[in-house]
Amino acid sequence: GEDVEQSLFLSVREGDSSVINCTYTDSSSTYLYWYKQEPGAGLQLLTYIFSNMDMKQDQRLTVLLNKKDKHLSLRIADTQTGDSAIYFCAEIPDTGRRALTFGSGTRLQVQP
Amino acid sequence: EADIYQTPRYLVIGTGKKITLECSQTMGHDKMYWYQQDPGMELHLIHYSYGVNSTEKGDLSSESTVSRIRTEHFPLTLESARPSHTSQYLCASSTRASGNTIYFGEGSWLTVV
Repeated sequence: GEDVEQSLFLSVREGDSSVINCTYTDSSSTYLYWYKQEPGAGLQLLTYIFSNMDMKQDQRLTVLLNKKDKHLSLRIADTQTGDSAIYFCAEIPDTGRRALTFGSGTRLQVQP
Repeated sequence: EADIYQTPRYLVIGTGKKITLECSQTMGHDKMYWYQQDPGMELHLIHYSYGVNSTEKGDLSSESTVSRIRTEHFPLTLESARPSHTSQYLCASSTRASGNTIYFGEGSWLTVV
C-alpha cells in the first residue's frame, strides 16, 4: 500500500534555508505535491513535481526528487516568519484510485 | 486561486443531531474528495467521487455519507453526530485537464458536544 513519511518538526532562524524531507513507497506515483497549512486554515498548494523530473524551482521554493530512493524534499530559501506552518508531502498514484495520500506533516517553526 | 467553497466554516452541535457539510466548486472538476483531519495531524481520505452518481469510501472508515447529484456539489452528511466526529473536514476537487492537481477548500471545523 501507499505510505508517505515526514519528520514531524523543523526549527530554523529567519533568513536561513529550510529543508523539509519526505519519503514515499508507491513507485507508480506520477505527481508529488507540497501543501502548506497555516493554523485553522485549509491546505494551500505550494508546488508539485512530475515523477519524470529531478528538480523544480519556483521563486524561493526548490523541489528535489530522487525517484530511485523515493525521496522528495522542499527547500525554502531565505525563510521568513510567515513561512511558519505545517507542510504536507503528498503523492498520487498512476493507477487505481487517483486520490492523494498525505504524509503526517512537518511543522516548520521560524524563529526571528 | 481555487474556486472551491465549504460551508459552514465552523459548527458546534449537540450529540444526535443530523448535519450536512456543503462543498461546491465552480471549476467543472469531475473528481471530488472529502478528507478528515484532526488538529495538526495528517489527512485521511474518507470519501471520493469520480463524477455524477459515483461515490466511493476512502481509507478511513467513516459514519458519514456523501452524494454527487451534480458535478459541482459534493455534500457530506452525518445522520447522528457524536463527539468522536469532532474534527476538521476538508473538501477537494481535481480534473485530469489540470494535471490532476487537487485543490482544497478552507475546511469545515465540526465540534460535537
